[in-house]
Amino acid sequence: GAGVSQSPRYKVAKRGQDVALRCDPISGHVSLFWYQQALGQGPEFLTYFQNEAQLDKSGLPSDRFFAERPEGSVSTLKIQRTQQEDSAVYLCASSLGTSDYEQYFGPGTRLTVT
Amino acid sequence: AQTVTQSQPEMSVQEAETVTLSCTYDTSESNYYLFWYKQPPSRQMILVIRQEAYKQQNATENRFSVNFQKAAKSFSLKISDSQLGDTAMYFCAFMADSNYQLIWGAGTKLIIKP
Repeated sequence: GAGVSQSPRYKVAKRGQDVALRCDPISGHVSLFWYQQALGQGPEFLTYFQNEAQLDKSGLPSDRFFAERPEGSVSTLKIQRTQQEDSAVYLCASSLGTSDYEQYFGPGTRLTVT
Repeated sequence: AQTVTQSQPEMSVQEAETVTLSCTYDTSESNYYLFWYKQPPSRQMILVIRQEAYKQQNATENRFSVNFQKAAKSFSLKISDSQLGDTAMYFCAFMADSNYQLIWGAGTKLIIKP
């Protein structure tokens, strides 16, 4: 079956622009996660959804970052007024249920802020 | 807070050799899960192997096996009969049973030479 997909795969933004990154989880997966992976580093947790509810946004680095999953399926991570330090790969992952700990990852979106 | 440490930034071995990647972690949780993920240059994170902390038996998946030492908080990955396709970044990750966030190490770049 189809895996997790993300779009766009690459995004170049000028400092100060707003960007929106999309994640399509595996169909039927209840849980959805966003991670930020800086160059040469391991991923870091940003936020977690269970269906449409955002249960944890403790990893969002600033109030310029906003995520939503309005219908409990597709999710969008929005970054307002992008800064150079926002340059990273943004990974989306989904898992089947709240007790299923295996997360399936998308290919990521590489964001470069110039 | 949990931490995951991978002390080998890069390793290189000849094809068909056996290689062991190290990972240590720190936690006060009693129930948790440990994972090894592979991230090839294409960037999609793939689960290699997982270990439930309550299981004493070390997990194995074909050529991949782990050495889980709970008291020492050590979780190493052994790749037997290494293949060129094993070339990738390998990340060790931790998840507490009381949480859903993956806590990641910094990764080990593994190069398999022909």
